[in-house]
Amino acid sequence: EPEVTQTPSHQVTQMGQEVILRCVPISNHLYFYWYRQILGQKVEFLVSFYNNEISEKSEIFDDQFSVERPDGSNFTLKIRSTKLEDSAMYFCASSEGTFNNSPLHFGNGTRLTVT
Amino acid sequence: DQQVKQNSPSLSVQEGRISILNCDYTNSMFDYFLWYKKYPAEGPTFLISISSIKDKNEDGRFTVFLNKSAKHLSLHIVPSQPGDSAVYFCAASGYYGGSQGNLIFGKGTKLSVKP
Repeated sequence: EPEVTQTPSHQVTQMGQEVILRCVPISNHLYFYWYRQILGQKVEFLVSFYNNEISEKSEIFDDQFSVERPDGSNFTLKIRSTKLEDSAMYFCASSEGTFNNSPLHFGNGTRLTVT
Repeated sequence: DQQVKQNSPSLSVQEGRISILNCDYTNSMFDYFLWYKKYPAEGPTFLISISSIKDKNEDGRFTVFLNKSAKHLSLHIVPSQPGDSAVYFCAASGYYGGSQGNLIFGKGTKLSVKP
């Protein structure tokens, strides 16, 4: 069964550094998402992306965050200057259509540790 | 802000018995509900969903019930198997404010199915 793949599985970075988290969504999917889960807390929505542009973003997704689909297969999340509170599990997801008839499929996540 | 609540952090069930996981929500604009299962070190895996126009949806051993008047949904697993042991997340969404892809997750319930 096709799956969403994320790399790396674990990223350690120093505060203030830039990080890029990478995702390869399922090939025929058109909608892409990033979610995150801080340890012990809920899974939280960050951003959705469709037709090469952001369709929605949460309050968490401030100017330090950006997303890009640089080619036909990859979908990246960049954090420009990481903060300690950015430490979390970051999940990429994709869906074939809008989620009320096409559920989100999640990757296994990237654990980001900011020291 | 807990729009989606899973009040039981854990549930233990004997193999072969029914598991009932509960979820409450506060936002009457939600019109689509999903259950995800998550194993350690993996991303959430879609299980089953229900639209607000229905009160029941069944898929094999999994049945989701929706009580709109009570703003409550539940996931029934019958019969429960040890492989069902995981964290179960309830999620909800709706087209309020142009939302799309913005799933609101509960905190999860850890299900343990004992042989």
